[in-house]
Amino acid sequence: AQTVTQSQPEMSVQEAETVTLSCTYDTSESDYYLFWYKQPPSRQMILVIRQEAYKQQNATENRFSVNFQKAAKSFSLKISDSQLGDAAMYFCAYRSLDSGGSNYKLTFGKGTLLTVNP
Amino acid sequence: DAGVIQSPRHEVTEMGQEVTLRCKPISGHNSLFWYRQTMMRGLELLIYFNNNVPIDDSGMPEDRFSAKMPNASFSTLKIQPSEPRDSAVYFCASSLVSEQFFGPGTRLTVL
Repeated sequence: AQTVTQSQPEMSVQEAETVTLSCTYDTSESDYYLFWYKQPPSRQMILVIRQEAYKQQNATENRFSVNFQKAAKSFSLKISDSQLGDAAMYFCAYRSLDSGGSNYKLTFGKGTLLTVNP
Repeated sequence: DAGVIQSPRHEVTEMGQEVTLRCKPISGHNSLFWYRQTMMRGLELLIYFNNNVPIDDSGMPEDRFSAKMPNASFSTLKIQPSEPRDSAVYFCASSLVSEQFFGPGTRLTVL
């Protein structure tokens, strides 16, 4: 079974600075998807960014980028120019590429609570 | 374009009562998921439907929980009878390819 580990329960960053959230995972599969979700106090789960394991290029979405190290099974999220609205719980998630059965489910880490200081 | 819609947003009930949570997935999505989020256990998948058919219900805690998807635009999660330990936020999510899009959740409190 796949596992996802977020080793930082809490992180803080100054507004306009850069912060990196860590995520490692364990899998025996070669193809899969990785995601970062954001959950602000409203508790809505918002997809931030996704990465396909077969792509070597790191995904980027505006101020959000990932550092995907497949061999190390590491998938960190970098937030540049942090804004007050970035304050939220961030979840790393894994999904198998194969279709059918329970392979569609997302396996989530425990989350990292990000505080942005003005 | 409407996202995943869940109702009610908040539910407070007494132990022993029946609770029904509702979900309308994004139009055109063929997969639907029910998750439960608690402080202790984090996000857990309860059940997953593909093309309205339940594929994996191994996460359903016990027989008190049941889920249906009578058509592509509607699903329910029912708890009967409810217990205080069922208090949690219940999310519905839908998917077409790889990403899952979540609804706003239902916060359930069982007294």
